[in-house]
Amino acid sequence: RKEVEQDPGPFNVPEGATVAFNCTYSNSASQSFFWYRQDCRKEPKLLMSVYSSGNEDGRFTAQLNRASQYISLLIRDSKLSDSATYLCVVNPNLTDSWGKLQFGAGTQVVVTP
Amino acid sequence: SQTIHQWPATLVQPVGSPLSLECTVEGTSNPNLYWYRQAAGRGLQLLFYSVGIGQISSEVPQNLSASRPQDRQFILSSKKLLLSDSGFYLCAWSTSEGGNEQFFGPGTRLTVL
Repeated sequence: RKEVEQDPGPFNVPEGATVAFNCTYSNSASQSFFWYRQDCRKEPKLLMSVYSSGNEDGRFTAQLNRASQYISLLIRDSKLSDSATYLCVVNPNLTDSWGKLQFGAGTQVVVTP
Repeated sequence: SQTIHQWPATLVQPVGSPLSLECTVEGTSNPNLYWYRQAAGRGLQLLFYSVGIGQISSEVPQNLSASRPQDRQFILSSKKLLLSDSGFYLCAWSTSEGGNEQFFGPGTRLTVL
């Protein structure tokens, strides 16, 4: 089982609609979680950090379910500019992995006019 | 504010040639530094990380090496490039506490022919 798993998509979303997708992680001791967005041929950029049950920033909402070991990202009122790959990133909090994060392969979102 | 620089932005090199990629961080002290590689359509693979000057940890066996000659400078090198070294190389930094958000440089796109 991969440490961090994501549905690769693509999720095709009409402009203005809502889209949500999940990320599952394998290590139950994981403490912190991050969502990054990566545009084509660009570096990942931090979208949101999650340290407790969830976080909300404008149209973006992250929800953490520790019991089932997944974190979701919801995008409301999708914009064309939201088209990107969204990377789920986990701090596994392992004793020998200080400072290292685990990256999912990403979920592609395509917002269409 | 903190900024991270990488150069060159793109590089085309023949098989067997040497490599040197540079990364510098501004606006912070004693950061953790990381080198990642992202193959086309794939997730990020951690190559090296460093928690201080001269301290390098390697994640995967390969023909690459890393050095940290100064607090905010991180260099990725190879004596002889392989075709499989092609990819998108990303440098990142995080605070020295570890496990926190990582911030990425703009990356170097390397093509080995």
